[in-house]
Amino acid sequence: SAVISQKPSRDICQRGTSLTIQCQVDSQVTMMFWYRQQPGQSLTLIATANQGSEATYESGFVIDKFPISRPNLTFSTLTVSNMSPEDSSIYLCSVAGLAVTGELFFGEGSRLTVL
Amino acid sequence: SQQGEEDPQALSIQEGENATMNCSYKTSINNLQWYRQNSGRGLVHLILIRSNEREKHSGRLRVTLDTSKKSSSLLITASRAADTASYFCATDPSNDYKLSFGAGTTVTVRA
Repeated sequence: SAVISQKPSRDICQRGTSLTIQCQVDSQVTMMFWYRQQPGQSLTLIATANQGSEATYESGFVIDKFPISRPNLTFSTLTVSNMSPEDSSIYLCSVAGLAVTGELFFGEGSRLTVL
Repeated sequence: SQQGEEDPQALSIQEGENATMNCSYKTSINNLQWYRQNSGRGLVHLILIRSNEREKHSGRLRVTLDTSKKSSSLLITASRAADTASYFCATDPSNDYKLSFGAGTTVTVRA
């Protein structure tokens, strides 16, 4: 398993601003993902954070809105840009490849409220 | 996109009772996983069942998988107040760790 730390754990943001969420893992991992969980909903995959190259985005998510960095194998950031109330969600960092089976390990999430 | 559908959406039981929730999915799978989420926090992996397995146990958890019906169930026996959480099934349709999550079942265990 791994210890995955996310910062901030929660924040209240103003419309039109941007916020960067950090994800730090206590061991090197090859695969990191960012998920969004809108209020009362399930998780939706935003993108795969690729080390040393551009992230791979899922349908409906674009780099201009959700730029992602992954400078090394233990750290990634997700920026939510030009926020609107519809961006109010929990954003979760997850990692894979730490177990021989296919489970993911998740950070505690970052709860964003956009006013 | 979400592959799994779960039912019920919500479940309220008395402590000591069993809780059963179901998950259906659409495409073929290599494995199906169940996760628990406490009060909007991070998800915790509970159990993974492979496509060639029909039943799996872990402590008070029992998972079944019926690939012919593309469905799975999670049974929590002798529930406790600490089992109060949302439970999600997840599949990996492309076998690339990109999990697709079901809608989730919110379980409330009353003391």
